[in-house]
Amino acid sequence: GAVVSQHPSRVICKSGTSVKIECRSLDFQATTMFWYRQFPKQSLMLMATSNEGSKATYEQGVEKDKFLINHASLTLSTLTVTSAHPEDSSFYICSARDFRVGTDTQYFGPGTRLTVL
Amino acid sequence: AQSVTQLGSHVSVSEGALVLLRCNYSSSVPPYLFWYVQYPNQGLQLLLKYTSAATLVKGINGFEAEFKKSETSFHLTKPSAHMSDAAEYFCAVSGSSASKIIFGSGTRLSIRP
Repeated sequence: GAVVSQHPSRVICKSGTSVKIECRSLDFQATTMFWYRQFPKQSLMLMATSNEGSKATYEQGVEKDKFLINHASLTLSTLTVTSAHPEDSSFYICSARDFRVGTDTQYFGPGTRLTVL
Repeated sequence: AQSVTQLGSHVSVSEGALVLLRCNYSSSVPPYLFWYVQYPNQGLQLLLKYTSAATLVKGINGFEAEFKKSETSFHLTKPSAHMSDAAEYFCAVSGSSASKIIFGSGTRLSIRP
């Protein structure tokens, strides 16, 4: 099946710094990617929909200035957590839409665990 | 608007016993329904999905789910539990197979020896 990768898998940063997380579709082009966050022992909450070549669509309650999303190519979307604070510590998961004929499904990345000290 | 409700945050069964994880959905459009499994500190793995074809959907690892429109349910079952089935399971819904997916709260499955 299709593969989606995330980098880094784990990151620890100091409070106030910014962290960039990459999501790549390895063997298909993805015009649409999604970003989720998951707190410990909780479900996945959709943060935003990332569209190649246009602005991301954020879910209600998600700060667009804090969680910057860039989808500059058909295989890469990035999520930048700006001025990170300990409450931003979470598991961030992306998914990518594979819309090739006969497929049209989503594949999830392995996740990135962010710890803000 | 779409949502899913998973009944039971934790289910424990004996090895070899039937696994039943419950999921009810709400959707204003014909739904696409999914079950995902997540092992500790890992991403999601798709178990199976319903896309308006057959109401009984077979997935990987011996799991299957039945779409019941009259009950707005999509329960996940497996005839005989294995120790390796211990994980977190998420039911999810979307308006199509590739639009944004809304997840349920998850059910942790434990397997007793």
